[in-house]
Amino acid sequence: IAGITQAPTSQILAAGRRMTLRCTQDMRHNAMYWYRQDLGLGLRLIHYSNTAGTTGKGEVPDGYSVSRANTDDFPLTLASAVPSQTSVYFCASSVLPSGTDTQYFGPGTRLTVL
Amino acid sequence: GQNIDQPTEMTATEGAIVQINCTYQTSGFNGLFWYQQHAGEAPTFLSYNVLDGLEEKGRFSSFLSRSKGYSYLLLKELQMKDSASYLCAVRDSNYQLIWGAGTKLIINP
Repeated sequence: IAGITQAPTSQILAAGRRMTLRCTQDMRHNAMYWYRQDLGLGLRLIHYSNTAGTTGKGEVPDGYSVSRANTDDFPLTLASAVPSQTSVYFCASSVLPSGTDTQYFGPGTRLTVL
Repeated sequence: GQNIDQPTEMTATEGAIVQINCTYQTSGFNGLFWYQQHAGEAPTFLSYNVLDGLEEKGRFSSFLSRSKGYSYLLLKELQMKDSASYLCAVRDSNYQLIWGAGTKLIINP
């Protein structure tokens, strides 16, 4: 593994189903993030984690949950998917959550909820 | 509210120069980032500005004026591979990134 990986690459999901998007980084970064990207809109932060064991809510957290049991993994769960959650989801990480630190992005998961 | 404005789309010619503007209104300022995103791919870091002035990095330069809430990304000697979306993002007082919708740059031969 090099950098950030996400799984699955794409998924079609029936409304009401539960879904977990996986994100793993091997850079030992402290901070991790989940964004969604929709056409015509900027990336919007869903949840973040500044360090293992802690999480926080971003701009659009409703309908999503996260956990950060260790440094490397940051799964995003949709408890009961709805069509408005159709989007491209990007996981990102950074060494630190502040300062000059840049964020490195995974390849994304394209999710369609029908 | 917080707002980042960028043009939706721009067109330029291979070999030319293009300037992509970004204006912002955010609660606090802790730096401005430019990212490049090719279609279907992840954003990748281009530049970071926290002080006023110009930062040059090869063919790409980024300028910041904090008093005007304004930045631009300057791309010189355009190549076809520069066809992509360019995302402006500002780190606010909570150290969260606020993202613009991106500028799609189309380069014609």
